[in-house]
Amino acid sequence: GAGVSQTPSNKVTEKGKYVELRCDPISGHTALYWYRQSLGQGPEFLIYFQGTGAADDSGLPNDRFFAVRPEGSVSTLKIQRTERGDSAVYLCASSAPLTRAIPDTQYFGPGTRLTVL
Amino acid sequence: AQSVAQPEDQVNVAEGNPLTVKCTYSVSGNPYLFWYVQYPNRGLQFLLKYITGDNLVKGSYGFEAEFNKSQTSFHLKKPSALVSDSALYFCAVMGEKLTFGTGTRLTIIP
Repeated sequence: GAGVSQTPSNKVTEKGKYVELRCDPISGHTALYWYRQSLGQGPEFLIYFQGTGAADDSGLPNDRFFAVRPEGSVSTLKIQRTERGDSAVYLCASSAPLTRAIPDTQYFGPGTRLTVL
Repeated sequence: AQSVAQPEDQVNVAEGNPLTVKCTYSVSGNPYLFWYVQYPNRGLQFLLKYITGDNLVKGSYGFEAEFNKSQTSFHLKKPSALVSDSALYFCAVMGEKLTFGTGTRLTIIP
C-alpha cells in the first residue's frame, strides 16, 4: 500500500502483560516516529528513528517502553508489564529523508488502539 | 521548548459560511508549522504546512492557513464550509520534535 500501516488496529490486554505494536512505513521513508494519543489530547512524541537507530527516545515515558527498527523499515513498539494508564492510541508516522535544515512532512498511520484492562 | 495553543475546543459553523480554526505557537528558531485533520477512528491526515515563503499557504480540500510572525499565529481557514469538513483539527510546530496542540473539534451545521 501507499500509506503507513499499523497492526493490530485494536489490542486488548490485561494489566501486567507484554504487547507489541507494529508499524510499516511508507516505502523509501528513512525517518519513523511513534506517538501516543490519549483521549482528548493531541499526539505526544515517543521516539524517532533515522534508519535503524533511535535518534531521539526522549519521549518514552519509562523503561517499560522500547522500540526497535532492525532493518530500517518496519518498527515494533514494545510495552512490558502494561498498566491501565498505558491505554491510548499509538500512532506511527514516517517521513522522507530529512534535509539538513528543513523538516519534511510526517505521514501518519491509522493507529493501534491499546486497551489495558 | 516549543508549544502550540488551540484556544477553542469546539467550533461550530453553518454550512457555506467561512471557517477559522485558531492556532498560536511558541518555538525558538524558524517556525515550521503544520495542520492535520483526524476523522473518527482514523489517523491524522496532513492538510498543509508552512516552511518558508508566502504567508498564505494553500492545502488539501480547499483549506488554507495564514502565517503571522508578529502574532505567532497560524490560523486555518476555508472560504465555504462543507458538512464533510466536520472533524478534529490539530495544529503542530516542529522544533526539536513535532509538538501538537490539543485539537479543535469542528462541526459544520447543515
